[in-house]
Amino acid sequence: EVQVVQSGGGLVQPGGTLRLACTGSGITFSSYEMNWVRQAPGKGLEWISYITSSGRTIYYADSVKGRFTISRDNARNSLFLQMNSLRVEDTAVYYCARERRNVGATFLDYWGQGILVTVSS
Amino acid sequence: SSALTQGPAVSVALGQTVRITCQGDSLRIYSASWYQQKPGQAPILVIYGKNNRPSGIPDRFSVSSSGSTASLTITGAQAEDEADYFCNSRDSSGYHPVFGGGTKLTVL
Repeated sequence: EVQVVQSGGGLVQPGGTLRLACTGSGITFSSYEMNWVRQAPGKGLEWISYITSSGRTIYYADSVKGRFTISRDNARNSLFLQMNSLRVEDTAVYYCARERRNVGATFLDYWGQGILVTVSS
Repeated sequence: SSALTQGPAVSVALGQTVRITCQGDSLRIYSASWYQQKPGQAPILVIYGKNNRPSGIPDRFSVSSSGSTASLTITGAQAEDEADYFCNSRDSSGYHPVFGGGTKLTVL
């Protein structure tokens, strides 16, 4: 059975830190690009970070650049998001998602269950 | 704001056909994929490329595209299709994914 399990969310004060983790079982992450996507309450999906399979190429959305760090451990089939200097506007459900390329298309085929990050004093 | 633009909401009578559209310059270069999200759940991939559906997705879901517009069509909408639908492609640079703002589908 394929499972993508996320952990690490919770309530944090503005300026605080959190580290999210995403681990796959029954599914391989190591050969694939991975992404973090978030969804603020009642809003749409916002891409925030991307990492290649090797970890050598990384991109961030402007909204999190300089504050968030994406990383991966292919031996543990895991993806991470270190979130520093958190702001109220970072409050959202955070999803990890595996990216695939096939038949000339790029798409996100497996998503974690989502984990809520609440930034509030 | 999203680099991909979707209408906020659409409704369809049970068993009828509905089209959801997504516009963006990057769609001239990159194909769209579509995701269904029900309240409190993670998005799931419903279709990508030229009508490629993951296992378990019914064939009433199809896609088409023309220029900078991609469309998701549901032929014979069912009650369980009521959800938010998001389109996704690459940004114009090709570096990372980008999403549309989502369209809320109501099945009457």
